[in-house]
Amino acid sequence: SAVISQKPSRDICQRGTSLTIQCQVDSQVTMMFWYRQQPGQSLTLIATANQGSEATYESGFVIDKFPISRPNLTFSTLTVSNMSPEDSSIYLCSVSMTGSVSIYNEQFFGPGTRLTVL
Amino acid sequence: DAKTTQPPSMDCAEGRAANLPCNHSTISGNEYVYWYRQIHSQGPQYIIHGLKNNETNEMASLIITEDRKSSTLILPHATLRDTAVYYCIVRGWGRDDKIIFGKGTRLHILP
Repeated sequence: SAVISQKPSRDICQRGTSLTIQCQVDSQVTMMFWYRQQPGQSLTLIATANQGSEATYESGFVIDKFPISRPNLTFSTLTVSNMSPEDSSIYLCSVSMTGSVSIYNEQFFGPGTRLTVL
Repeated sequence: DAKTTQPPSMDCAEGRAANLPCNHSTISGNEYVYWYRQIHSQGPQYIIHGLKNNETNEMASLIITEDRKSSTLILPHATLRDTAVYYCIVRGWGRDDKIIFGKGTRLHILP
């Protein structure tokens, strides 16, 4: 399995500012994913982050709004830029394993970052 | 878009079996059925997966119909800690096969 931590766990931000969320994994992983979960809703995939290449964004999400870094196999950041109240959500990091691939091929999820934009 | 359809909510009495249905009529031959659950204020947690055979582990059983167009997750003896949103997901086997979540089923376990 993988242990995933996210920082910050929660934050309250002002409109127009930016927040960078960090995701740290305790082992090397091939793929990292960023999801958004708006209040009372399911999870929506924002982008897939590969080490050494540009992130791949899902429809409706753009790099200018959600820039992503993936400097190595254990770490990624997601920035929520120029925030508005509509960006208030939980942001979750997820990973799939590399190397000794889990026989279940499951994804592991971090605890999430709860963001409130005023 | 999600490839699965689930009822929005279900109730189950504590100690009884919880049977959660899922329709995935457009599943392709190389896609698996995965189940995850999300307990309040936590990230989703893997439960079980299967291709075409029924599967069982310490958490649950997965029954997949012969035509693979639907499946049922069974929690054999539901407890209050099983109260969560359960997501049925169809995905390929590759490590970069992303998970697309549908709306899930909110399971309430009644004392």
